[in-house]
Amino acid sequence: KAGVTQTPRYLIKTRGQQVTLSCSPISGHRSVSWYQQTPGQGLQFLFEYFSETQRNKGNFPGRFSGRQFSNSRSEMNVSTLELGDSALYLCASSLGGGFHEKLFFGSGTQLSVL
Amino acid sequence: SQQGEEDPQALSIQEGENATMNCSYKTSINNLQWYRQNSGRGLVHLILIRSNEREKHSGRLRVTLDTSKKSSSLLITASRAADTASYFCATDDTGGFKTIFGAGTRLFVKA
Repeated sequence: KAGVTQTPRYLIKTRGQQVTLSCSPISGHRSVSWYQQTPGQGLQFLFEYFSETQRNKGNFPGRFSGRQFSNSRSEMNVSTLELGDSALYLCASSLGGGFHEKLFFGSGTQLSVL
Repeated sequence: SQQGEEDPQALSIQEGENATMNCSYKTSINNLQWYRQNSGRGLVHLILIRSNEREKHSGRLRVTLDTSKKSSSLLITASRAADTASYFCATDDTGGFKTIFGAGTRLFVKA
């Protein structure tokens, strides 16, 4: 069974640009969560999707958005990039996103904003 | 904001020694999980303990949970160099559909 796949693995952008990151969950998993990881702030929750609906959202500005498709694949978009957006973006999937479910993580997308 | 806070922030031990990491959290939980992250990679689930459990074992891992103190500990016995990684505790947000991670403990095991 294939794991969670995130693309691209590395990305370099300049301030003001926008970026789209992709996540393909494990087959059969319908919940996808996104996290931003930085050395100073640790893992910060961005949002969670299930059946194309966003069920929870973290404390990030509106420049951060996401969506989920009918095949459970998810994308997140960051518009008007800032230097502080440089981070490792992690995607995780689970069956339904409920309690007592473990998360399966992808290897992440390392975003550098210059 | 982070629900779980790990202690210590960093730990350096010799191969063969035991490593203990602690996690404290703020609100009531349904379960608590521990994850491992090798440098720059995704997190890997290690163990989940439910709120009505007090101790759980998995191989060389032992997790305890004290809901009265809102704390958990992860013990890795007979550590190996391959155990070098960051370890995170995670809890479910009370609102649901959100797993919150602590800041992590960086473990370095010297061969």
